[in-house]
Amino acid sequence: EAQVTQNPRYLITVTGKKLTVTCSQNMNHEYMSWYRQDPGLGLRQIYYSMNVEVTDKGDVPEGYKVSRKEKRNFPLILESPSPNQTSLYFCLTGGGRGDTQYFGPGTRLTVL
Amino acid sequence: AQTVTQSQPEMSVQEAETVTLSCTYDTSESNYYLFWYKQPPSRQMILVIRQEAYKQQNATENRFSVNFQKAAKSFSLKISDSQLGDTAMYFCASPNFGNEKLTFGTGTRLTIIP
Repeated sequence: EAQVTQNPRYLITVTGKKLTVTCSQNMNHEYMSWYRQDPGLGLRQIYYSMNVEVTDKGDVPEGYKVSRKEKRNFPLILESPSPNQTSLYFCLTGGGRGDTQYFGPGTRLTVL
Repeated sequence: AQTVTQSQPEMSVQEAETVTLSCTYDTSESNYYLFWYKQPPSRQMILVIRQEAYKQQNATENRFSVNFQKAAKSFSLKISDSQLGDTAMYFCASPNFGNEKLTFGTGTRLTIIP
């Protein structure tokens, strides 16, 4: 079964405590990306990766890091989370060339 | 640059009726894809239907179909025999060919009334 998984699904943490949100896909897709969704601001791209070891900034990369060491995994790292990073985060994966992109289930992050 | 516009912030319809959600877009690409995603109260984002611009035939998935008017740059979603489970936010979206970034519309909140 084609799947995009994210962990954790829910997280409440405190300012400054490093955290990682994992994303994994089993569809052998080259393209993966991270978005955040906030009321009134819609969905905004944080980072994306066109292939292993190839990553680039999206529209709102400040405060985030990513890595793409394997094709299937694309973790999102918050080195020093702040309350303005409280959001709903989605991992997406797709075959590239404009083709369909599939969302992970989402991670609801609260930073106190 | 791509733009995607949804002009209906909210809609409601009686169960079993048909409803059409509007989406217009602008792109400089000659070939492109268009998607409708559904976000129910659970907040998951679910692909409803996709359309490839070079295909003249409108896409259909069970009760969901699109009316794709390429010249008018219009991509509306028709939901037939609406069900309570169709209650959700619906987003129209299109990816950039260069970096795959999805451009989303602002969404239409659809409520199905029992």
